[in-house]
Amino acid sequence: GAGVSQSPRYKVAKRGQDVALRCDPISGHVSLFWYQQALGQGPEFLTYFQNEAQLDKSGLPSDRFFAERPEGSVSTLKIQRTQQEDSAVYLCASSLLPQYFGPGTRLLVL
Amino acid sequence: SQKIEQNSEALNIQEGKTATLTCNYTNYSPAYLQWYRQDPGRGPVFLLLIRENEKEKRKERLKVTFDTTLKQSLFHITASQPADSATYLCALPNYGGSQGNLIFGKGTKLSVKP
Repeated sequence: GAGVSQSPRYKVAKRGQDVALRCDPISGHVSLFWYQQALGQGPEFLTYFQNEAQLDKSGLPSDRFFAERPEGSVSTLKIQRTQQEDSAVYLCASSLLPQYFGPGTRLLVL
Repeated sequence: SQKIEQNSEALNIQEGKTATLTCNYTNYSPAYLQWYRQDPGRGPVFLLLIRENEKEKRKERLKVTFDTTLKQSLFHITASQPADSATYLCALPNYGGSQGNLIFGKGTKLSVKP
């Protein structure tokens, strides 16, 4: 079956621009996670959804980061007024144990 | 807070040899520990999970051990092949966070030379 998909795969943004990153989890998976992975580092937890409820957003680095999953399936991570330090790969994962990851969106902020 | 250390950033071995990767954690012992493989430009792929009451877990050429006294997990790939070249990540649950909130190590980049 289809795995986790993410779009776009690559995004170049000018500093100050808003971006929206999409995640399509595996069908039927209740749990959805967003991670941020800087170059040469392991993924770092951003936020967790169970269905449409955002149960944990403790990893979101600032109030410029916002995630939603309104119907309990597709999720969007939005970053407002992007900064250069936001450049990273943003990974989405579904299922609790183990987690199945998408290919990520590589964001470059110039 | 919990920290994970993976012993080396890079490990180079010859094809056919056994690769051994180390994952050390600093604080509480987790109920389980996971290993993932990540290839360039891709997301991590789950390999193995070992629970705190299990000393060893095997899957084909892969073996994981878990020593809660040493606060360490070892990940072995026997009869390694060039196709095993990738970055291997250790992950464990963050008990300060929600269910499923994982803490990852930086990873060890394994290169298997033919």
